[in-house]
Amino acid sequence: DAGITQSPRHKVTETGTPVTLRCHQTENHRYMYWYRQDPGHGLRLIHYSYGVKDTDKGEVSDGYSVSRSKTEDFLLTLESATSSQTSVYFCAISLDTVPYEQYFGPGTRLTVT
Amino acid sequence: RKEVEQDPGPFNVPEGATVAFNCTYSNSASQSFFWYRQDCRKEPKLLMSVYSSGNEDGRFTAQLNRASQYISLLIRDSKLSDSATYLCVVRPGGNNRLAFGKGNQVVVIP
Repeated sequence: DAGITQSPRHKVTETGTPVTLRCHQTENHRYMYWYRQDPGHGLRLIHYSYGVKDTDKGEVSDGYSVSRSKTEDFLLTLESATSSQTSVYFCAISLDTVPYEQYFGPGTRLTVT
Repeated sequence: RKEVEQDPGPFNVPEGATVAFNCTYSNSASQSFFWYRQDCRKEPKLLMSVYSSGNEDGRFTAQLNRASQYISLLIRDSKLSDSATYLCVVRPGGNNRLAFGKGNQVVVIP
């Protein structure tokens, strides 16, 4: 158990509304990630962070922003949710030593209507 | 070309049988390799890292073939509880980013 929690676990929201998902970790890992998982696509990286206030884009970052003001929290914001952002969102941390395996939170199931 | 490719299956396996599947990766400079297990509607969980010499964990054996750029997973004496999707995961470069395959779905049949 890597001590990762995500909130909310489930959310239904309307198109055009802002949504923020939270990832919280208890073990002071430097690297944190946000993924989305959709049928037929597997896990795709949205954004990642390599320290407080240090973030970078992944392969599917359009329409998403992130913030990391504390080591333990990594926030993912959908500025104006669209139906194409209906997905399951996973947060992950990676260990700081080779082979840098990642551990995942339980996921947030987001539905945009 | 996708970074990691897997045949999604499903692989229907009689209980007690052996099942094996591969994945291929495109970046010859890839540095770390893993198999993750994902149960329906759950998060992926690390099953095992894959080392150059191959490694075994109980009924699970993983192999790495760098020359042909593929990774394999073999499950012996399949249990009903082995039913899951198995994700092939590769670290393509010098940073911590991982590339995920779409998974091999395994269904163990009584």
